[in-house]
Amino acid sequence: QVHLVQSAHEVRNPGASVKVSCKASGYTFTHYGVSWVRQAPGQGLEWMGWISTVNGDTHYAEKFQDRVSMTTDTSTSTVYIEVKTLKSDDTAIYYCARNWDGIDYWGQGTLVTVSS
Amino acid sequence: DIQMTQSPSFLSASVGDRVNITCRASQGIRNDLGWYQQKPGQAPKRLIYGASRLQSGVPSRFSGTGSGTQFTLTITSLQPEDFASYYCLQHNDYPWTFGQGTKVEIK
Repeated sequence: QVHLVQSAHEVRNPGASVKVSCKASGYTFTHYGVSWVRQAPGQGLEWMGWISTVNGDTHYAEKFQDRVSMTTDTSTSTVYIEVKTLKSDDTAIYYCARNWDGIDYWGQGTLVTVSS
Repeated sequence: DIQMTQSPSFLSASVGDRVNITCRASQGIRNDLGWYQQKPGQAPKRLIYGASRLQSGVPSRFSGTGSGTQFTLTITSLQPEDFASYYCLQHNDYPWTFGQGTKVEIK
């Protein structure tokens, strides 16, 4: 059974950084890439980018290019996303999701609240 | 970027109704499209992939059609558990893009 388990909710001040983890189980980790998608309160879904779990190659949506970093640790089957220089409109639920013919399985989401 | 225009944004329907939700792509995306259902407080769940293939475990009242630029998600005989938000996602080109969503509510 495929599981993507994310880290707990985070609260940060504007200008700070946050790092969210996503631990995969139930499948061969390096056979699938992982995307990150976010959802602001009451809003739709926004794709942020994806990372190859084979070699760590990344592709970020242009609006996140300068502030987002995705990494992978194959020894623990975990993918990370770090968002830097947080602003109030980065307040959102951040989801990791497995790539297969688009996106198939999703993590449970991590709420990141940016507030002073 | 490929724009995905989803309609309607909001839909009021009754149990047993047939419902159609459409996504139009700003350029051709072959059949590189999926449909997702999201209930309040939950992560999205994929219903359809490859525009028309039913995800394992998803009831057969859900179906998808289309190719190129026009796609439709159909729910035949709407059930109480189907009241939720629905999104399309294109993965033909970067950045992947979602439709704006359709909220299906009880009439």
